[in-house]
Amino acid sequence: QFVLTQSPSASASLGASVRLTCTLNSGHSSYAIAWHQQQPEKGPRFLMKVNSDGSHNKGDGIPDRFSGSSSGAERYLTISSLQSEDEAEYYCQTWGTGINVVFGEGTKLTVL
Amino acid sequence: QVQHVQSGAEVKKPGASVRISCKASGNTLTNYAVHWVRQAPGQGLEWMGWINVGYGNTKNSQKFQDRVFITWDRSARTSYMELSSLRSEDTALYYCATDIGYCSGATCWLEAFDVWGQGTKVTVSS
Repeated sequence: QFVLTQSPSASASLGASVRLTCTLNSGHSSYAIAWHQQQPEKGPRFLMKVNSDGSHNKGDGIPDRFSGSSSGAERYLTISSLQSEDEAEYYCQTWGTGINVVFGEGTKLTVL
Repeated sequence: QVQHVQSGAEVKKPGASVRISCKASGNTLTNYAVHWVRQAPGQGLEWMGWINVGYGNTKNSQKFQDRVFITWDRSARTSYMELSSLRSEDTALYYCATDIGYCSGATCWLEAFDVWGQGTKVTVSS
């Protein structure tokens, strides 16, 4: 079974940086993932795709404060210079033949 | 700019069916997949299935295998998702989305979702 693991919550102060993690389960460390942001009472928004080599491709209009990286089976989303509007739920997503589409359970980010 | 505009909120009784539409604009491509995802109140995102708009074949999550029917109207550039035998647990926001992959014939190479619809609220209540 394909599983993406995310911490349920994270917090950081206004203006600081935070790194969110999405972990692919054993045997799937080569998969790329996507990060999506869901602000309160809004639909999801695509942030970026993060490849296994750490390269990433951002969606249109996504600020430079958002970046992605990888290490082994972990995929990261780093948000720097945190702003109040970054308070949101962040989901990772992956895909592939046989697994189709899988979402992580989401990380709720609180900006203090 | 690609956009997906979904139909309005629905209220249905248990046992009924609901059909939600998702109209694509700003996209002239004919070889991609449209996905459907739902989100129950306070819960995460749950993938339901996709349709290859060029070929018409679909793939559903095992959980929804027998209850979800996804179609594509080529002339209207609109996808429809019908969910049957509704129960209270189907109360959720339903989203359509497209990914950055492509399809060739009946085969789709799935990818990251990059455009989401605004969501359609479905309430199932007696």
